[in-house]
Amino acid sequence: GEDVEQSLFLSVREGDSSVINCTYTDSSSTYLYWYKQEPGAGLQLLTYIFSNMDMKQDQRLTVLLNKKDKHLSLRIADTQTGDSAIYFCAETDYGQNFVFGPGTRLSVLP
Amino acid sequence: EADIYQTPRYLVIGTGKKITLECSQTMGHDKMYWYQQDPGMELHLIHYSYGVNSTEKGDLSSESTVSRIRTEHFPLTLESARPSHTSQYLCASSESASGSDEQFFGPGTRLTVL
Repeated sequence: GEDVEQSLFLSVREGDSSVINCTYTDSSSTYLYWYKQEPGAGLQLLTYIFSNMDMKQDQRLTVLLNKKDKHLSLRIADTQTGDSAIYFCAETDYGQNFVFGPGTRLSVLP
Repeated sequence: EADIYQTPRYLVIGTGKKITLECSQTMGHDKMYWYQQDPGMELHLIHYSYGVNSTEKGDLSSESTVSRIRTEHFPLTLESARPSHTSQYLCASSESASGSDEQFFGPGTRLTVL
């Protein structure tokens, strides 16, 4: 089956930029997503990108997609302590299959 | 903000009890999902539904069962709970015709079986 991979941990200092990376195998991906999960809560959709786009920016969040390499990244500018959470990358092919990565735990150090 | 609800949020029960975890959404979404997640770990799809009277098993084998009698409601039942069922259960929904296909998640039910 299709697969989504992420590094499991990332630590950054408050005020620095965070970059969370994700790779996927599905050549038929139509949409790719970034979700945030805080302790004890469900997943919150942060942003998504259509597969024919290279970049999407939304305030402090920048998503970059390299479709050739099947690589997706999420950059968080001016990272704050409230950004500490687990970030899940996910992809779908027209909503038929929805595949999540294992999640990256972001720790923001003061 | 997504309108998808799960009850109870927390449940502690003894082994052998029958339980039902409730999930409801008011967005009229046709697709609904149940995921099992140990704290801080990966999501595992255990059940999904593409509409009323449609239910399918997911990637992870589960002893639970589901039903989809109404569009807005997708309850999950464990006939006889065991300590191995201790986990967080997340419900999600999505709309086929949304264009972006994203899933909206409920807050989760944290289940502890003693």
